[in-house]
Amino acid sequence: RKEVEQDPGPFNVPEGATVAFNCTYSNSASQSFFWYRQDCRKEPKLLMSVYSSGNEDGRFTAQLNRASQYISLLIRDSKLSDSATYLCVVTGSGGYQKVTFGIGTKLQVIP
Amino acid sequence: GAVVSQHPSRVICKSGTSVKIECRSLDFQATTMFWYRQFPKQSLMLMATSNEGSKATYEQGVEKDKFLINHASLTLSTLTVTSAHPEDSSFYICSAGIYNEQFFGPGTRLTVL
Repeated sequence: RKEVEQDPGPFNVPEGATVAFNCTYSNSASQSFFWYRQDCRKEPKLLMSVYSSGNEDGRFTAQLNRASQYISLLIRDSKLSDSATYLCVVTGSGGYQKVTFGIGTKLQVIP
Repeated sequence: GAVVSQHPSRVICKSGTSVKIECRSLDFQATTMFWYRQFPKQSLMLMATSNEGSKATYEQGVEKDKFLINHASLTLSTLTVTSAHPEDSSFYICSAGIYNEQFFGPGTRLTVL
């Protein structure tokens, strides 16, 4: 089983739609969780951190379920500019802080 | 947010040559930096963890003698691809972290002819 698993997609959704991505992780000791956005041929950029209590930033909502070992990202009212690959990132425990990326989920918002 | 730079952004070289890529944290100190590689349509794969003042830690399957890492100061890590071959052509990205957040360099696209 991969350390971090994501559905690579692509998810093709119309403008204005709501879309959700899930990501599962295998290490129950994982410490921190993030969603990054990566545009084509660019470096990843932090979209939002994921907390046990949930995290909302405008149209974006991230949630963590430690019991089931998954995190989710919900995008409401999709915009064309949301088209990108969304990477699930999990960091390890302890001082090593190993960072593991999911393969990314590609989102294409269609006019 | 914090800034991480990489140089060069793009390099084309002949097979058999060595290529050095620099990663700098511009406004913070980083005792640890990470080097990743991303092949087309694939995820970022961690290659190694660069530790200031000590040896790098390499992930399984990454040859330490081929990918030399030097983390000589708290703001600079270098990755040298030695005797590069066409299969080393890839997008190389570094990152450095503060408070659990990773900041990424813009990446270096390496093409080996």
